[in-house]
Amino acid sequence: GAGVSQSPSNKVTEKGKDVELRCDPISGHTALYWYRQRLGQGLEFLIYFQGNSAPDKSGLPSDRFSAERTGESVSTLTIQRTQQEDSAVYLCASSQMTGNQPQHFGDGTRLSIL
Amino acid sequence: GESVGLHLPTLSVQEGDNSIINCAYSNSASDYFIWYKQESGKGPQFIIDIRSNMDKRQGQRVTVLLNKTVKHLSLQIAATQPGDSAVYFCADSNFGNEKLTFGTGTRLTIIP
Repeated sequence: GAGVSQSPSNKVTEKGKDVELRCDPISGHTALYWYRQRLGQGLEFLIYFQGNSAPDKSGLPSDRFSAERTGESVSTLTIQRTQQEDSAVYLCASSQMTGNQPQHFGDGTRLSIL
Repeated sequence: GESVGLHLPTLSVQEGDNSIINCAYSNSASDYFIWYKQESGKGPQFIIDIRSNMDKRQGQRVTVLLNKTVKHLSLQIAATQPGDSAVYFCADSNFGNEKLTFGTGTRLTIIP
């Protein structure tokens, strides 16, 4: 597709369950980012991948959060043992490279923890 | 830590008028600034960006101004239209640390 694609668009799960969120970046984009957006707030950085370099995980809020990326394509964000405070929209972005290029966002996954 | 903030959480503008959305940043090392528009249920949409070696950049109906002396950024939207109603975010980063730091956003409402 032409833009960043995220799935699922909505996810409702019970507290304590694990969830996996998927991001397909724009083709040819080497950099991929995950952000979290709580209701009515700005975006919080979680993690970013650039090529084969070690990812920057400095924004992950706890060890329940992890992410992987296969080469320069799909990325998955996994949240283990979900808590109610994990409820948010999880947004993925990609850019052509790092070094101050615009990040282009998908429409996010709205995660609700019951 | 560093943060980017917005002065006004809401702004209402008459259709056809110009609007100005302001933003303050605190990281003096920031060298890249970007504005996004976010509509309900959608991801942020890129509007315009500017690097620290510039103080003004224009796009279609939009202008971004950067004042590094006072660490201030603004987005001007000319001849506003109903479709401009959305939440606008500014964000910053610096070379070598490309994660964006976002403010909480300004909700712009265009009054017909």
